[in-house]
Amino acid sequence: DTAVSQTPKYLVTQMGNDKSIKCEQNLGHDTMYWYKQDSKKFLKIMFSYNNKELIINETVPNRFSPKSPDKAHLNLHINSLELGDSAVYFCASSKVQGSYEQYFGPGTRLTVT
Amino acid sequence: AQKITQTQPGMFVQEKEAVTLDCTYDTSDPSYGLFWYKQPSSGEMIFLIYQGSYDQQNATEGRYSLNFQKARKSANLVISASQLGDSAMYFCAMRGNSGGSNYKLTFGKGTLLTVNP
Repeated sequence: DTAVSQTPKYLVTQMGNDKSIKCEQNLGHDTMYWYKQDSKKFLKIMFSYNNKELIINETVPNRFSPKSPDKAHLNLHINSLELGDSAVYFCASSKVQGSYEQYFGPGTRLTVT
Repeated sequence: AQKITQTQPGMFVQEKEAVTLDCTYDTSDPSYGLFWYKQPSSGEMIFLIYQGSYDQQNATEGRYSLNFQKARKSANLVISASQLGDSAMYFCAMRGNSGGSNYKLTFGKGTLLTVNP
């Protein structure tokens, strides 16, 4: 059983398009996160939700909009995709906000052409 | 603001030897946590070890230990008896422990470890 799953695993799209990445965790965790890993492997947090409430919102263009329909899901919608959005996007979850262990999904490699 | 510095872009070690991966940090939070994650070439992020800033003893998990020197603001990862499967990118990370938005993880740039047979 996959603990944190993401779909799709690969996403290739053209500039200007709108796309979504879905994340689901079956661990019963309260807190979920989105991270972006750029081409130099640098990882940076984008968003975090706790019990469907947004608690971390880093300096991210407002073309990126997270949505948490329930505790088990955190989706990432990106409008008007740009070349610089090409990266690997990781979803993660933790039992509660303060849990030190975060479980990461396999990542979604987004390529914008 | 929190900052993590990993000064070794790449490291090489012989199989069965020990290796230390360096990490220094900077924070104004009185309570914080330090983490190490492993990212193999397959891409997934694997949690390895955690050290709380008020923990008296250095954290250990199997072959991994964290050499925590609070005064020097360093949190080096020591891998004993290296195995070929340890070849991966290793990230040091930290976060504050005072709640809410303070819980976000800040990562270093990573160290690529190669274990030679």
